[in-house]
Amino acid sequence: GNSVTQMEGPVTLSEEAFLTINCTYTATGYPSLFWYVQYPGEGLQLLLKATKADDKGSNKGFEATYRKETTSFHLEKGSVQVSDSAVYFCALSDYNTGGFKTIFGAGTRLFVKA
Amino acid sequence: DVKVTQSSRYLVKRTGEKVFLECVQDMDHENMFWYRQDPGLGLRLIYFSYDVKMKEKGDIPEGYSVSREKKERFSLILESASTNQTSMYLCASSVQKSSGANVLTFGAGSRLTVL
Repeated sequence: GNSVTQMEGPVTLSEEAFLTINCTYTATGYPSLFWYVQYPGEGLQLLLKATKADDKGSNKGFEATYRKETTSFHLEKGSVQVSDSAVYFCALSDYNTGGFKTIFGAGTRLFVKA
Repeated sequence: DVKVTQSSRYLVKRTGEKVFLECVQDMDHENMFWYRQDPGLGLRLIYFSYDVKMKEKGDIPEGYSVSREKKERFSLILESASTNQTSMYLCASSVQKSSGANVLTFGAGSRLTVL
């Protein structure tokens, strides 16, 4: 079946450091890939997405490229801010009976220090 | 502003009680989902629904049931709550699309503690 694996946290960085959070997936079809972010006390919200191989999703300085050859969708940001402290979830959406089903990785908590 | 609203942010229940978690969306979305979120496990899909009065089991349906009598409302039911159902429950919705870019809109979550 489909699955998503992401690097364990927590990840602790200083402000303006470079961020990478690794994500790999297993899928039988041609899934769409997502990064969702959860700020403290809130539900998840979409950060970025990519729907086919070699697509790059980007938002708020974050980027991720859909790499079919390595089945990866790593999240990167060149210079993190304290306000980026949150939990980040990698996810894939694939067709299931009747519609699309989304499954998530375990989440990676990011702490950014001033 | 589009919203998914979960009726209770925090609940404390006793073992054996029947628990209802309500979720309402105002976006006219066809799809609705219930996940539970546990540390180190991420989000796991309990049940989902693609249309009124229909439901599909997710990855961990045991001990849960759902009801979707109206398009905008999707309820999660714990028939007899147990301590291992203590968790954060997240409701989400999405528009029905023929492509895979099925973006979920989440509610703020309902934290359930079963004593």
